[in-house]
Amino acid sequence: GQQLNQSPQSMFIQEGEDVSMNCTSSSIFNTWLWYKQDPGEGPVLLIALYKAGELTSNGRLTAQFGITRKDSFLNISASIPSDVGIYFCAGRTMNRDDKIIFGKGTRLHILP
Amino acid sequence: NAGVMQNPRHLVRRRGQEARLRCSPMKGHSHVYWYRQLPEEGLKFMVYLQKENIIDESGMPKERFSAEFPKEGPSILRIQQVVRGDSAAYFCASSPVDSPGEQYFGPGTRLTVT
Repeated sequence: GQQLNQSPQSMFIQEGEDVSMNCTSSSIFNTWLWYKQDPGEGPVLLIALYKAGELTSNGRLTAQFGITRKDSFLNISASIPSDVGIYFCAGRTMNRDDKIIFGKGTRLHILP
Repeated sequence: NAGVMQNPRHLVRRRGQEARLRCSPMKGHSHVYWYRQLPEEGLKFMVYLQKENIIDESGMPKERFSAEFPKEGPSILRIQQVVRGDSAAYFCASSPVDSPGEQYFGPGTRLTVT
């Protein structure tokens, strides 16, 4: 079946550093989504991307829809303690069945 | 502007009992999705529903699990004769008709089977 490969699995960074994570797939997607999940909570939608090549920002977050439609990345600039959590990429397939497939997540840790 | 509501937040059931999980979508949203998440794992799609219709249940186990989204009232995910392996967090998401790709999640129901 369709799979999303999300990397890295986890990151340990210093406060103030920039962060980059990405998702790749062998399938083509027509929508890429990035979510953040805090412990004990549901995922919160951060950024939605709809067009190949699209670059979208939300505060310190920037995400891009890859030109091949098979990948996306998320950057976080100048990380702060509340950025800690799990970041999930998700893709919606081209066959428009509205099903969204999730990556396994990137766990972001900020070192004191 | 209430978000997706799920209840209960925590549910404890003994093996063999039934679990009923409820989800009220965001106002104006007519698409509902259920996902299961195990500790340290991503979200696994279970079922996609619109009002009174199951659109895609390819992620639902064939036995013991069922879902509905009636014309009135919340969506219900029902697990009969629960087993220990059903222990997980169950999340509901909803999306608007004009942007079905944007799913907004509820806080989840954490099911523990003892």
